[in-house]
Order: sequence, then C-alpha cells, then structure tokens
Amino acid sequence: DSGVTQTPKHLITATGQRVTLRCSPRSGDLSVYWYQQSLDQGLQFLIQYYNGEERAKGNILERFSAQQFPDLHSELNLSSLELGDSALYFCASSAPNREYEQYFGPGTRLTVT
Amino acid sequence: GEDVEQSLFLSVREGDSSVINCTYTDSSSTYLYWYKQEPGAGLQLLTYIFSNMDMKQDQRLTVLLNKKDKHLSLRIADTQTGDSAIYFCAESIKARGSTLGRLYFGRGTQLTVWP
Repeated sequence: DSGVTQTPKHLITATGQRVTLRCSPRSGDLSVYWYQQSLDQGLQFLIQYYNGEERAKGNILERFSAQQFPDLHSELNLSSLELGDSALYFCASSAPNREYEQYFGPGTRLTVT
Repeated sequence: GEDVEQSLFLSVREGDSSVINCTYTDSSSTYLYWYKQEPGAGLQLLTYIFSNMDMKQDQRLTVLLNKKDKHLSLRIADTQTGDSAIYFCAESIKARGSTLGRLYFGRGTQLTVWP
C-alpha cells in the first residue's frame, strides 16, 4: 500500500457525461500527479499540482481539468466523455524536494459506454 | 524525452534470473525508474537510479545503466512466481522551466515466471 488513495475504484458512465475522480496523496506530500493508462497510448502524464498550484501540464485534453484543494487532495474532472476516454486513471504523489520519487495510487478504472 | 522502448514479453523459470531491458532516447534523463504493476493494482515503485550512476543493487534487484548506449536493465535474481507482473521503465528529465515530476513510461514488459 503506497498511502495514496483514489476513489472510486470503478466508474461506468455513458458518452457525453461528466465524472470526477478523487485522489488523496500520502501524508506530507505536496505534489499530486495524474496519469492515464490506455491500451492505445500506454501510460501518459496528464498534469501535476504542487501545494494547490498547477506546476506542469502534459497531454491533457481541454475537456479534462484538475485542481488541488487546500487539504491537498486533488480531483480530476472529465467532461463530454467519449468512448476513447475509457482508461485507468492513476494519481501519484511525492514529497517536497523529492519529486523524483512518485508513489502511485491503485487507480480508477473508467468505462465509457 | 518521450521514447522509452521495452520488449513486451519475457518468460523465465522459477529460480532463474530475469533481465528486463529498456532503451531511452533523451540524453538529459535525470532519473530512470522501474515500476511493477500486478493485475488490478497500481504502479509500485521498485527502484530508481540517478543518471550519474552506473549500477544500483537492492536485495534481489540490480539496475544497470549504460549512458553511452542509453540502455537500462533490471535484473531480478532468483525469480519467483510472485514476481510475475508488468514491469515499466520510466525516465524523468530536468529541463529548463520544467520539473522532475513528469515521467515518461515505456509500454511495459510482461514477465511470466513458470514454476
């Protein structure tokens, strides 16, 4: 157990809908990262937050957004869902000054039908 | 810094050593990683190596880095059936204006250990 928690574990929804994925980092970690794992694209970095501020952005679609709250948990919002958004979404966290050590949560499996 | 290549499959017998290989293209890689993913589980950080090192050993795991050839390997000694999983190679790059946080992953190597 990495100490990073993600909810829900599974999510099934229809095209066009909007969902919110939640992540709680390890105690003391200030950075949160979101990754998408799909059969087509493999594991891809989406976005990073550090202490509430966006720090780096990767291949994140405009339909997707994220934020990190004052209690350091983070949410990834996915809207206007398409079949191709079906994937495993992972959250990771790292401690201050130790960005090179990222610990991953168990992931949320999103299925869009 | 986006091309990390791994072979897709490796099969070994229990008790043998496994060697999983990875190549990367960005010479400014700062850290290189091995993550393990078991079915239905998240990614477990196994080990990582800083790019100014050649080797790192941690119990049954040995990481070798050949910077000239941009080649990283993970050797698992005395492989057990519980080692069966997907192993991902990843790199992070410290570039101007960016952080170390973004990881670039390979597609993963499925290791199957036969009893």
